Amino acid sequence: GEDVEQSLFLSVREGDSSVINCTYTDSSSTYLYWYKQEPGAGLQLLTYIFSNMDMKQDQRLTVLLNKKDKHLSLRIADTQTGDSAIYFCAEPLGVNRDDKIIFGKGTRLHILP
Amino acid sequence: DAGVTQSPTHLIKTRGQQVTLRCSPISGHKSVSWYQQVLGQGPQFIFQYYEKEERGRGNFPDRFSARQFPNYSSELNVNALLLGDSALYLCASSTNRDRMNTEAFFGQGTRLTVV
Repeated sequence: GEDVEQSLFLSVREGDSSVINCTYTDSSSTYLYWYKQEPGAGLQLLTYIFSNMDMKQDQRLTVLLNKKDKHLSLRIADTQTGDSAIYFCAEPLGVNRDDKIIFGKGTRLHILP
Repeated sequence: DAGVTQSPTHLIKTRGQQVTLRCSPISGHKSVSWYQQVLGQGPQFIFQYYEKEERGRGNFPDRFSARQFPNYSSELNVNALLLGDSALYLCASSTNRDRMNTEAFFGQGTRLTVV
């Protein structure tokens, strides 16, 4: 089946690291995505990882992939108030990156002062 | 360069009515996809069009239909609106469906409220 699961809420103090977790069911996906959605804004592709990678680092973002457990995580270092948003784990169900994309319900990240 | 543009940004419709939502892709993009995002949920795939042909369809009733025009813009139509159709409708465009490096870029969405 097609399903992506993630926790709904996360509160983190400014300056700490945020870790958002996700599990997915379709192991044939070539890519796995993290999208960011801010209030009143569209979806922004934050980062993605190829399914043959274990880790990808991009400035403050670190993506970890455990294919055996079908577990994906996003770590945001030195969390800032501008990181407050909803983060969606997602996977395309096809060969192409823009194919039918299955999204999780989203994790709302709240930054504490 | 303009991103994906959707119109209108907001609209209110009555149950049973019909609605048409519009999407203009990024210049040069030939593929358009539609997603429905109900409040508190993640986006759900509705349709994908490439070169005016339907290339994918999600689990939505026949009340939902779409088309893509020669200029690659697209319309999403929903007939016999239900209260449950209230959602943010997102359009995404991408360059070439046959390339593995193509990325989907999303518009700001149309907020549809059915009363």
